[in-house]
Amino acid sequence: EAQVTQNPRYLITVTGKKLTVTCSQNMNHEYMSWYRQDPGLGLRQIYYSMNVEVTDKGDVPEGYKVSRKEKRNFPLILESPSPNQTSLYFCASSQGLASRNTQYFGPGTRLTVL
Amino acid sequence: AQTVTQSQPEMSVQEAETVTLSCTYDTSESNYYLFWYKQPPSRQMILVIRQEAYKQQNATENRFSVNFQKAAKSFSLKISDSQLGDTAMYFCAFMNYGGSQGNLIFGKGTKLSVKP
Repeated sequence: EAQVTQNPRYLITVTGKKLTVTCSQNMNHEYMSWYRQDPGLGLRQIYYSMNVEVTDKGDVPEGYKVSRKEKRNFPLILESPSPNQTSLYFCASSQGLASRNTQYFGPGTRLTVL
Repeated sequence: AQTVTQSQPEMSVQEAETVTLSCTYDTSESNYYLFWYKQPPSRQMILVIRQEAYKQQNATENRFSVNFQKAAKSFSLKISDSQLGDTAMYFCAFMNYGGSQGNLIFGKGTKLSVKP
């Protein structure tokens, strides 16, 4: 089954404790992206990747890092989480530059930073 | 900068009836894509329908159709024969054609409740 998976689905952590949210897709998609969703704000892009070893900042990149060492994986790293990063996070992928208009989303990761 | 506005925070409809969700957007671009995504209580983001701005014909997907008015920068979603499973948050989204960022710009959403 073609899908985007995220782990963990739920995470409660404390301020300053490094964490990684994994994202994996099995569709051989070139383009991957991370969004955060906050009440009343819709979804906002954090980082994106056009292909392996190619990443760039989205609209709200502060406090986050990403890497793209393999085509299928695009982990989101919070080196020192803070309470304002409490949010619902989505990973998304699409086929390529010509088809990146159709993005498929993972199931979401609910992160709470205390 | 592009913006997407959904002016109806909440709506409700009786089962089997028709409902229209509104969306307006602001852009200086002439080529772009528009989308409606559905987010049910499971929180999964599900693509409902998409429209290419260069196409004059309105997109349809089964019970879902759009009314795309490019000059008015309006992109409404019509749901016919509403079903209980249509209960969800609905997000309108915009993407610039050819932009390297591939960034979807989302509205704040409309919460739709379908009542039996």
